Amino acid sequence: GAVVSQHPSRVICKSGTSVKIECRSLDFQATTMFWYRQFPKQSLMLMATSNEGSKATYEQGVEKDKFLINHASLTLSTLTVTSAHPEDSSFYICSARDLGVPPLDTQYFGPGTRLTVL
Amino acid sequence: GDSVTQMEGPVTLSEEAFLTINCTYTATGYPSLFWYVQYPGEGLQLLLKATKADDKGSNKGFEATYRKETTSFHLEKGSVQVSDSAVYFCALSRTGTASKLTFGTGTRLQVTL
Repeated sequence: GAVVSQHPSRVICKSGTSVKIECRSLDFQATTMFWYRQFPKQSLMLMATSNEGSKATYEQGVEKDKFLINHASLTLSTLTVTSAHPEDSSFYICSARDLGVPPLDTQYFGPGTRLTVL
Repeated sequence: GDSVTQMEGPVTLSEEAFLTINCTYTATGYPSLFWYVQYPGEGLQLLLKATKADDKGSNKGFEATYRKETTSFHLEKGSVQVSDSAVYFCALSRTGTASKLTFGTGTRLQVTL
């Protein structure tokens, strides 16, 4: 089946630094990737939709300059949390849509990245 | 806006017990409905889906029926196993909206021997 990986799985950084998270589709091409954020005991909240070769579409309330998304190829999207602060600590999850699957909303999810900002 | 409401967990059951996790939704039109499962340390996996009213999605002994009259998509399994312990998310997506998923808050299931 389709596999999506994320790197790193866990990262701890100091306040004020920037952190980059990678999302890769390993065995399929993904024109669209999604970035979610999950707070403890809460649902996944969509942050942005990333389309290969174009600017990401951010959900209302998500700071574009804070969460930089780049989707430079059909298998890789990156999320950079700039000038991270403790309130950015969360579980970040990406998903990718397979070109080969009918457009019935089949997304394949990565295992997530736990970000802790000290 | 669209929303999904799930029963709060955690749900603790003995092995071979019957499982029901309630899910109701609010959305205009005819959304597609999904159940995702997240095992410890892993990403979300699609468990089952239904795309129109009265459709029944099923997989691995789990099933859910799309009930438009009650705007519900309850997850059921007749006999749970310890390996079913995970977090279950109900979700919806509007047809034609680039696959944006709206999730419920998730329900943790713990199955004991």
